[in-house]
Amino acid sequence: DGGITQSPKYLFRKEGQNVTLSCEQNLNHDAMYWYRQDPGQGLRLIYYSQIVNDFQKGDIAEGYSVSREKKESFPLTVTSAQKNPTAFYLCASSISREGEQFFGPGTRLTVL
Amino acid sequence: EDQVTQSPEALRLQEGESSSLNCSYTVSGLRGLFWYRQDPGKGPEFLFTLYSAGEEKEKERLKATLTKKESFLHITAPKPEDSATYLCAVPLSGSARQLTFGSGTQLTVLP
Repeated sequence: DGGITQSPKYLFRKEGQNVTLSCEQNLNHDAMYWYRQDPGQGLRLIYYSQIVNDFQKGDIAEGYSVSREKKESFPLTVTSAQKNPTAFYLCASSISREGEQFFGPGTRLTVL
Repeated sequence: EDQVTQSPEALRLQEGESSSLNCSYTVSGLRGLFWYRQDPGKGPEFLFTLYSAGEEKEKERLKATLTKKESFLHITAPKPEDSATYLCAVPLSGSARQLTFGSGTQLTVLP
């Protein structure tokens, strides 16, 4: 079955630690995205990548980093510089120029 | 500035009570409007894409419509399993790939 997988589902981090969230897709989509979702707010774009080895900052990139070494994979690192990292993180991908994006199941990150 | 506004923020319906959710947008040169359904603790599930004013799409009890300034998601005779948060999104002006999302409407259908 084609789809987007994210791991882990739940992640706990101590202050001062970097953590990496995994996102993999087997849809053969060129573009991949990372969003952050907080209660009562819409999705906010962190980073996106349209092709391998290229990515752009979204609206809230500070304190985050990404890489795109393979078409299928787009990991997100939440660094210690991110001041309020506790949130629900969503990965998405798209192939069409019309912009339809398909989402993974999400990772809930909690900073202790 | 591109903006997407959804209303109401929350809606409670009795089973079978039809209603509509609204998504208004201010984007130069609309290149599509997308509706998603999101269940608690899960990723959004794609529902519809609308491209031009007057277009309609249907899926089971849901029908999405589009005008030049807004979109409606009509829910006919809803069931409790339709309870979810419904999100709409549009591509940013000048980009076919970046989406701006509304804050969503949380729908609760009571049995």
